[in-house]
Amino acid sequence: GAGVSQSPSNKVTEKGKDVELRCDPISGHTALYWYRQRLGQGLEFLIYFQGNSAPDKSGLPSDRFSAERTGESVSTLTIQRTQQEDSAVYLCASSLRNSGDTQYFGPGTRLTVL
Amino acid sequence: GENVEQHPSTLSVQEGDSAVIKCTYSDSASNYFPWYKQELGKGPQLIIDIRSNVGEKKDQRIAVTLNKTAKHFSLHITETQPEDSAVYFCAAKVQGAQKLVFGQGTRLTINP
Repeated sequence: GAGVSQSPSNKVTEKGKDVELRCDPISGHTALYWYRQRLGQGLEFLIYFQGNSAPDKSGLPSDRFSAERTGESVSTLTIQRTQQEDSAVYLCASSLRNSGDTQYFGPGTRLTVL
Repeated sequence: GENVEQHPSTLSVQEGDSAVIKCTYSDSASNYFPWYKQELGKGPQLIIDIRSNVGEKKDQRIAVTLNKTAKHFSLHITETQPEDSAVYFCAAKVQGAQKLVFGQGTRLTINP
């Protein structure tokens, strides 16, 4: 079946602009996660959704970062007033019910802030 | 919070030889330890995982061992093949928490 999809695959933006990154989880998966991967590094947790609510936002690095999920499906990660240090690959994952289940990752969105 | 250290950062082995990647974790409440393989330009793919109630798990050429006392776990790949070349990440999840905490990754190169 279809896996996790993300769009766009690449995004180049100018410093100070806002960007929106989209994640479509595996159908039927109620848990959704966003991670950030800086060049040559491991993944950093950003936020976790269970259904449409976000009980864990502890990884969001600043108030410029926000995320929402609608219809227990699509999620959007928004970065306002982008900075060069926001350049990274943003990865989305979903799991069937909760964090105890396997997390399946999408291909990521590579964000470059000039 | 949980911290995961992964070694080595790069590993080069001859095709057919074995490769071992090691991770240590800090929080004794961690109870789930997945390993992911990431190829260039792709998202991480789960290759094997282990939960804290077992000490070893094997799937064909891949095995994972867990030592809860020492708080470390290892990935073993036998009879390596060129397609095993990738970056491998270990991760840990604390019981009751939602997030995975990842190691820094190991770039594995299989030399033909």
